[in-house]
Amino acid sequence: DSGVTQTPKHLITATGQRVTLRCSPRSGDLSVYWYQQSLDQGLQFLIQYYNGEERAKGNILERFSAQQFPDLHSELNLSSLELGDSALYFCASSPRLTSTDTQYFGPGTRLTVL
Amino acid sequence: DAKTTQPPSMDCAEGRAANLPCNHSTISGNEYVYWYRQIHSQGPQYIIHGLKNNETNEMASLIITEDRKSSTLILPHATLRDTAVYYCIVSLAGGTSYGKLTFGQGTILTVHP
Repeated sequence: DSGVTQTPKHLITATGQRVTLRCSPRSGDLSVYWYQQSLDQGLQFLIQYYNGEERAKGNILERFSAQQFPDLHSELNLSSLELGDSALYFCASSPRLTSTDTQYFGPGTRLTVL
Repeated sequence: DAKTTQPPSMDCAEGRAANLPCNHSTISGNEYVYWYRQIHSQGPQYIIHGLKNNETNEMASLIITEDRKSSTLILPHATLRDTAVYYCIVSLAGGTSYGKLTFGQGTILTVHP
């Protein structure tokens, strides 16, 4: 158990809908990262927040947005969902901003778009 | 971030050492080498990282060549539970990367009884 929790575990929805994935980092960790894992693209970095502020962005679609709240939990919002958004979404956390910190990954949310 | 090259798959007998190679010939001086693994569809798990020197922890050893163009992850006594996809990642320390991990295809390690 990494100490990172993600809810829900599974999510099934239809095209065009909007969903919110939630992540609670390990106690004391200030950085939160979101990754997407699909069969064709592999594991891809989406976005990083540190202490409430966006710090790095990857290939995140404009339909996707994220935020980190004062209690440090984070949410990833996916809208106008398409079939290709079906994937595993992982959240990871680390103590600080530096890249040399270990990232601890949560169990993931499996999103299925029908 | 520097690109890495890993063999797509490897086999290892249970109890033997598993040596997983990684080529990162374009690595720059301030880039670290990280190893993570992913068991089935679980979240990736950190194994070890290093900059120049060889590193060892309770899970594995990391051997980085002197020119830093390649490295080897060593699992000293592989068990069936070590069957996973192993990712070698090179990541810039600091700067605008801020810890972004760029995963490649990894090596599927299968440990046989």
